[in-house]
Amino acid sequence: GESVGLHLPTLSVQEGDNSIINCAYSNSASDYFIWYKQESGKGPQFIIDIRSNMDKRQGQRVTVLLNKTVKHLSLQIAATQPGDSAVYFCAESGSTLGRLYFGRGTQLTVWP
Amino acid sequence: DADVTQTPRNRITKTGKRIMLECSQTKGHDRMYWYRQDPGLGLRLIYYSFDVKDINKGEISDGYSVSRQAQAKFSLSLESAIPNQTALYFCATSDLRSLAGGSSYNEQFFGPGTRLTVL
Repeated sequence: GESVGLHLPTLSVQEGDNSIINCAYSNSASDYFIWYKQESGKGPQFIIDIRSNMDKRQGQRVTVLLNKTVKHLSLQIAATQPGDSAVYFCAESGSTLGRLYFGRGTQLTVWP
Repeated sequence: DADVTQTPRNRITKTGKRIMLECSQTKGHDRMYWYRQDPGLGLRLIYYSFDVKDINKGEISDGYSVSRQAQAKFSLSLESAIPNQTALYFCATSDLRSLAGGSSYNEQFFGPGTRLTVL
């Protein structure tokens, strides 16, 4: 399954499938990007980050891809599990102040 | 124990009342932030602080004020609450890391949130 974070804010996938959540950013000067996961009733939790000198970074079951040419960021979740159901936010930072700017989020629902 | 705590977790108040939300952290970070979250709008920055007594406005500071009297604490006040301030409020902390070339990055750590309802 695939979604564009800003235009399709929901994504439903079957347990075991791979999920792809997309995010477009506008600031070409952004050089640091983070994905956060927010479960219902909780604050956002860090998943993975990537710096602009990288195209890809892998974590446990998650991969972040960065395409600076088209200012696009994606989060891939392998073998999606019910516990992955949450809202996923991308965030970017591009100044010496280190402020983060958040996207509106994508709601991922995993069906058994 | 949680690294970033917020009190209260839930609050219902009436229009015109003064409300204070508290945030405490044990991470030893210099930087603290207050965000507001509304359905479909993601997280919007209200105020942030890079050190004790340092205060900076974010995207939506009107109607809010903050105080940073100690490194570990950052409080958010609504002087006269109004219904459109009903939202989830999150505190976050970070420690700035410098990258080669002069840019910087920070991973922000969030508290559990305060659900505020203004009637």
